[in-house]
Amino acid sequence: AQKVTQAQTEISVVEKEDVTLDCVYETRDTTYYLFWYKQPPSGELVFLIRRNSFDEQNEISGRYSWNFQKSTSSFNFTITASQVVDSAVYFCALSEAGYNFNKFYFGSGTKLNVKP
Amino acid sequence: DGGITQSPKYLFRKEGQNVTLSCEQNLNHDAMYWYRQDPGQGLRLIYYSQIVNDFQKGDIAEGYSVSREKKESFPLTVTSAQKNPTAFYLCASSTITGGYSTEQFFGPGTRLTVL
Repeated sequence: AQKVTQAQTEISVVEKEDVTLDCVYETRDTTYYLFWYKQPPSGELVFLIRRNSFDEQNEISGRYSWNFQKSTSSFNFTITASQVVDSAVYFCALSEAGYNFNKFYFGSGTKLNVKP
Repeated sequence: DGGITQSPKYLFRKEGQNVTLSCEQNLNHDAMYWYRQDPGQGLRLIYYSQIVNDFQKGDIAEGYSVSREKKESFPLTVTSAQKNPTAFYLCASSTITGGYSTEQFFGPGTRLTVL
C-alpha cells in the first residue's frame, strides 16, 4: 500500500489562480514528520516545509500555506495567486521511525502548470 | 557555501559497463541517500546510510552498490547487472535528531543514459 498518495497527477491553472495540492498519508506511528518539496525543470528537489505529527497548526509562508489534518491524514499545500515560476512537480513525503528508521516515503508527485 | 554536489551532471554509458556517480556533502550530515527517478515518476530509494561504514538497501538496490568510507561521501556504482539504468539519480543528506531524520537536502542530480 502507498504510504503517501498524491492523487492529482497534473494540474493546470492560469496565473493568479489559487491552487491546492493534495497529500494523504498512512502511518501507524504516533510520531512522524511530513514534508513538501518542489522539483523545478532543472531537476533538483527544493525543500519547502517540515511538519511534525504533534503540530497541527496551519502554516503560511508568503503565497504558500499548508493545512495539516491528522483526522483525515492529510497535509495539503495551497499556493495563492499562482505565478508561472510556481510551475514544477511537487512532492509530499513522510518520515517515520520503526524498522525503516529514517526512511522517507515520497508520493508520486503532482505536476503543476501555471499558464500566463 | 554548504551543500551537496553530484558529478557528473550527464553521464553516458555503454551496455555492460559499470559507472560510479559521485555525491559529496559539506553539511556535516550523518545520513545520506540515493534515489532513482524515472520520467514522470516519483523517487525510489536505492540505498541509504546513517553512519560511516554502514549502509542499508532501499527498495530497488539490485544492480547497484555503494560505499560510505567518509562522512562526506556516498558514491553510487551502477553495475552491469542493473537491467535498465537510464534514469535521473538524486543524492540527498540529512541530520538525525532525536531518532528522526530531519528534512533531506538534495543535490542537483546526475542523468545517466545507457547507449
